[in-house]
Amino acid sequence: DSGVTQTPKHLITATGQRVTLRCSPRSGDLSVYWYQQSLDQGLQFLIQYYNGEERAKGNILERFSAQQFPDLHSELNLSSLELGDSALYFCASSVGGGLNTGELFFGEGSRLTVL
Amino acid sequence: QQQVKQSPQSLIVQKGGISIINCAYENTAFDYFPWYQQFPGKGPALLIAIRPDVSEKKEGRFTISFNKSAKQFSLHIMDSQPGDSATYFCAAGPPGGYQKVTFGTGTKLQVIP
Repeated sequence: DSGVTQTPKHLITATGQRVTLRCSPRSGDLSVYWYQQSLDQGLQFLIQYYNGEERAKGNILERFSAQQFPDLHSELNLSSLELGDSALYFCASSVGGGLNTGELFFGEGSRLTVL
Repeated sequence: QQQVKQSPQSLIVQKGGISIINCAYENTAFDYFPWYQQFPGKGPALLIAIRPDVSEKKEGRFTISFNKSAKQFSLHIMDSQPGDSATYFCAAGPPGGYQKVTFGTGTKLQVIP
């Protein structure tokens, strides 16, 4: 058990809808990262938050947004969903956010299916 | 985007054999090369990592070999066991945090008895 909790584990929705994925990082970890894993792709970095502030952006679509709350949990919001958004979304956390990041710990993922 | 190319996509190895997964990177600024292991239904977990000041790092049955001049690195699993069956991801990144780490596309390893 990595200590990173993601909900829901599975989500099925329709095109055009909006969903929210939730992540609770390991106790003490200040950084939260979101990744997307599609069938033929590796882990694609979406966005990072450090202690409530956005730290870095990767290949995140404008239809997607995220935030990290004062209690350090994070939510990834996906809107106007398309079939191609179907993927496994991982949250990961680490102690730091810069040079002394430490190990990256992943949750078990949220599998999104868009029909 | 900086790429990390991983091969093979899938691998079947007999129990007791050696599993070898290869990765190549482009950015010479990369200085951190971790390998992650992912079991079905689970998130990736750090297996072993290397920095370019050494050419090899061994942890138990797992060894990373690193060739800086060729910009290649590989994972060797000695005496492969059925419990090693998982998907393995290589990754590479520069100093400055995981937001700049690029992951390979993964290798699905199956170790058969």
